[in-house]
Formats: sequence, structure tokens, C-alpha cells
Amino acid sequence: TQLLEQSPQFLSIQEGENLTVYCNSSSVFSSLQWYRQEPGEGPVLLVTVVTGGEVKKLKRLTFQFGDARKDSSLHITAAQTGDTGLYLCAGALVGGGNKLTFGTGTQLKVEL
Amino acid sequence: EAGVTQFPSHSVIEKGQTVTLRCDPISGHDNLYWYRRVMGKEIKFLLHFVKESKQDESGMPNNRFLAERTGGTYSTLKVQPAELEDSGVYFCASSRYMSSYNEQFFGPGTRLTVL
Repeated sequence: TQLLEQSPQFLSIQEGENLTVYCNSSSVFSSLQWYRQEPGEGPVLLVTVVTGGEVKKLKRLTFQFGDARKDSSLHITAAQTGDTGLYLCAGALVGGGNKLTFGTGTQLKVEL
Repeated sequence: EAGVTQFPSHSVIEKGQTVTLRCDPISGHDNLYWYRRVMGKEIKFLLHFVKESKQDESGMPNNRFLAERTGGTYSTLKVQPAELEDSGVYFCASSRYMSSYNEQFFGPGTRLTVL
């Protein structure tokens, strides 16, 4: 059973389009992170959200944590080719200590 | 500041051999974590050190895996003897102690191939 379901698994879009990636669970998280990973490298932290309903913006990226802290979304506005990569959500379960539970990832490809 | 570093970047060994992976966390980070991704699966937690103490080793697959963090600085993860199913990418991450945001910074990983 996958604790954190990410969708879509793959996404191929044209530059300039908008997209949203979802991360869903039936469990409650004390914190949730979004990472981006390039081939051959480790995940790079983009943002951390800890409060239900929280919205954070990082340039063209908007991150939202669900009110119940069970889900999150990443929205990219006007995607660029440089946004291509594997996007991962990961969270620390309430009562589960610091260890992160990872989603399966969304492979994004942005083409000209 | 320097990020998390891992050594080696790649390791190819035969079944039954021993391999030791090393992780140097970000300076000043008391929390150190090991994770791994096996083929086609999501990244999974192995264990968590706070300084030199094992805080949580619930993700260690079996007793062929031994992690140490003597002195609370760098950490090693030894696999002995290695099996085919141990192949994957092993990541190390570190974070500040008592960080409510639990922001973990990852190293580049060690790709282990067991033949």
C-alpha cells in the first residue's frame, strides 16, 4: 500500500502551459516537503509546508497543503524547459518522528 | 556551506561481497538519515541518527545492514554480505536538530549494483 499517492505519474507539456501535480494520502502529516530531482543527483528541497491550508509561492511554483494536512499540490504557471525533472512529495507522519514517507514521483517534461 | 556529500558515487560488487557507503552531512546538522530507492520503487527510509545515537532504525531491511555514526559526524552504511536485491540508490540526508520544519537536505546518492 502506497501511503502517498502522486499524480500524474508522467506529464509532458509544451512550454508556457500550466500544470498541477497532486500528492494524496489518508494519513495526516506534521510536515510535507516537495523536492525536485535530476538524473544522477539527489532530491533538492523546494519547499516545506507545516500548517493546514498553507500556501507558499516560489516564483512560478505554488504549493498548497490541504486543510486536514493529508494532501498537497504543486502548481506551475507558464512552465519552462528548465522545469523538466522528477517532482517528489515527501512527508513526516504525525507520531512517526522525522522520517520521510515519499510519493512515487511525477516525471515532468516540458518541451519547446 | 557545503552540502551533503556521499562516497562512492557508484559501486559495483558481486553477491556475497561487502560494501561500505559513507555520508558526510552538512556541518552542524545533528540529524542524519539514510534512505534508498530500489528499481521502480519510491524512496524509502532506512534509519535516523541524532548525533551518534540511532533514533529510529525501523526501516533497516535486515541484519546484513549496519549503520554507524561514531563521533556524531560522518556516517557509514555497511552491507555484508550483499545480495542482488540490495541494488539501488542509497541517499543520505541531514537536518538541523529540533527543526519543526524537518527540512532534510539530500546528498547525490550512491548507486549500488550487486551482480
